[in-house]
Amino acid sequence: DVKVTQSSRYLVKRTGEKVFLECVQDMDHENMFWYRQDPGLGLRLIYFSYDVKMKEKGDIPEGYSVSREKKERFSLILESASTNQTSMYLCASSTRTGIRSLHFGNGTRLTVT
Amino acid sequence: SQQGEEDPQALSIQEGENATMNCSYKTSINNLQWYRQNSGRGLVHLILIRSNEREKHSGRLRVTLDTSKKSSSLLITASRAADTASYFCATELGSGNTPLVFGKGTRLSVIA
Repeated sequence: DVKVTQSSRYLVKRTGEKVFLECVQDMDHENMFWYRQDPGLGLRLIYFSYDVKMKEKGDIPEGYSVSREKKERFSLILESASTNQTSMYLCASSTRTGIRSLHFGNGTRLTVT
Repeated sequence: SQQGEEDPQALSIQEGENATMNCSYKTSINNLQWYRQNSGRGLVHLILIRSNEREKHSGRLRVTLDTSKKSSSLLITASRAADTASYFCATELGSGNTPLVFGKGTRLSVIA
């Protein structure tokens, strides 16, 4: 069974801090995604990656960057955290071909104070 | 960009009743998927229906797709308290390797 692991369930950071959210998947999936989820707004795509060292902007990339140095790991970076980045962050992975359903981690609830 | 929109936003039913959730979308799709999210957890894939399919079943789940109306419905039969969760539709647009676009979800409460 596919496992997507996010390094932290809860995280509290201060405004201006650099924040790293880590995500690891164990099924050799090519595709990896970062979403944020906010009440009333649903899931919004921040960044995604179809291969190592590749990244593509999603719908709301401002204030974020990503890193994919290894196939199994996709990191989301908040260069300078702000209070409006307080949210639930969800990482997901999928295959590149065939049925591309997403496998999600359990999420990281980030609070920026 | 929001592609799918679920309806209703919230639904409350008694255990044993059927629950129906609807999803409308705007552009042509390759497939449509339904996901479930328990409170505070990640999403779990439930079922996928391709654009050339009209109906699909999986256990107590029944999904329909009407591409002419650009809409889908998810029916959960004989609901249980454990079905309480948020349900999201997600669309894969066109062909090729494109990200899914999620709706805002329907919050289902099943009362025992």
